[in-house]
Amino acid sequence: DVKVTQSSRYLVKRTGEKVFLECVQDMDHENMFWYRQDPGLGLRLIYFSYDVKMKEKGDIPEGYSVSREKKERFSLILESASTNQTSMYLCASSFPHGPYNEKLFFGSGTQLSVL
Amino acid sequence: ILNVEQSPQSLHVQEGDSTNFTCSFPSSNFYALHWYRWETAKSPEALFVMTLNGDEKKKGRISATLNTKEGYSYLYIKGSQPEDSATYLCAFNNQGGKLIFGQGTELSVKP
Repeated sequence: DVKVTQSSRYLVKRTGEKVFLECVQDMDHENMFWYRQDPGLGLRLIYFSYDVKMKEKGDIPEGYSVSREKKERFSLILESASTNQTSMYLCASSFPHGPYNEKLFFGSGTQLSVL
Repeated sequence: ILNVEQSPQSLHVQEGDSTNFTCSFPSSNFYALHWYRWETAKSPEALFVMTLNGDEKKKGRISATLNTKEGYSYLYIKGSQPEDSATYLCAFNNQGGKLIFGQGTELSVKP
């Protein structure tokens, strides 16, 4: 079975801190994604990557950056955490053939609270 | 702005009831429609990826239909069980590339 692992289930940080959310997948997927989920809203795409060292902005990249130094690992970085970044963050990966008609495999999410 | 709407937002049914919910999406430039189930404290899990107008897919008691011309998909659950309690997400992919998610339908099945 494909496994997508997110490093933390719950995280509490203070305003202004630099925050790293880590995601690792074990199925050699080329595509990786970071989403956030807020009540009443759909999953919103923050950043995605089709290959090592490659990254593209999603719909809401402001305040975030990403790193993909190895194929299996995709990190989301909050440069200076703010309270409006309190959210559930989901990492996902997929096979390379047509990035969006292949199903996504998700991690179990990180609930981040910024105080 | 591409919009994906799911209805209802939440649903409470009794065990054994059959239920259905709707995903509405833009009817132009259709590429694929995804359904995911997200149980509390677990990872969202893919149910179906549908690409053809008129497509029907089935997985156990859950089935889905697709109408790309009018821009909707239905998800049906026959004989709901408590373990079906979850949020059901649909996501639309147009030929421009990005996967756009609806806000989800939260289903609660009471024993």
